[in-house]
Amino acid sequence: NAGVMQNPRHLVRRRGQEARLRCSPMKGHSHVYWYRQLPEEGLKFMVYLQKENIIDESGMPKERFSAEFPKEGPSILRIQQVVRGDSAAYFCASSQTGDNQPQHFGDGTRLSIL
Amino acid sequence: EDQVTQSPEALRLQEGESSSLNCSYTVSGLRGLFWYRQDPGKGPEFLFTLYSAGEEKEKERLKATLTKKESFLHITAPKPEDSATYLCAVREKGAQKLVFGQGTRLTINP
Repeated sequence: NAGVMQNPRHLVRRRGQEARLRCSPMKGHSHVYWYRQLPEEGLKFMVYLQKENIIDESGMPKERFSAEFPKEGPSILRIQQVVRGDSAAYFCASSQTGDNQPQHFGDGTRLSIL
Repeated sequence: EDQVTQSPEALRLQEGESSSLNCSYTVSGLRGLFWYRQDPGKGPEFLFTLYSAGEEKEKERLKATLTKKESFLHITAPKPEDSATYLCAVREKGAQKLVFGQGTRLTINP
């Protein structure tokens, strides 16, 4: 299966720890998007990246959150000093190009903060 | 700001009972409207893209239509395996991000 791969599927952290979420896009896709789904809420855009570049981070909180998509390896969403309100499902999507191609999603990482 | 509203929030149907899901949107220049299906514990699965008013797309028992203000997802003679949450999203011109609605949770009873 050459779909979008996210790991880990479940992640438990204590308040104040760091969380690292990984996303490998579909083969041939060079555009990556991160979305967050809070309990009982819809999917919200966080950040859009191409290889080595952040294109749009308008949905990402200014503090504690960062994202990267290096030349080699998966895209990483990093949350520093996690708080209870960070508990959510984090989804990664990828597309082949940016030209209105559909975004294909992974199965997400469920982050729980104790 | 772009807005997407889906109705109803939840819908229960009997197997074979056709119905429609609604997605109303407000966007400054629509670049595309997308329908996804999401099963519990899974990521959204892409179904359709619609680009302009009057366009229609079909896949098995599903048919999506688009006007200037809303989109409908028609489901004909549904089966229990069609039970899922259906998500609608829009992309405005000049942007890549998708703005999602809250979804419609569809349950098909055998």
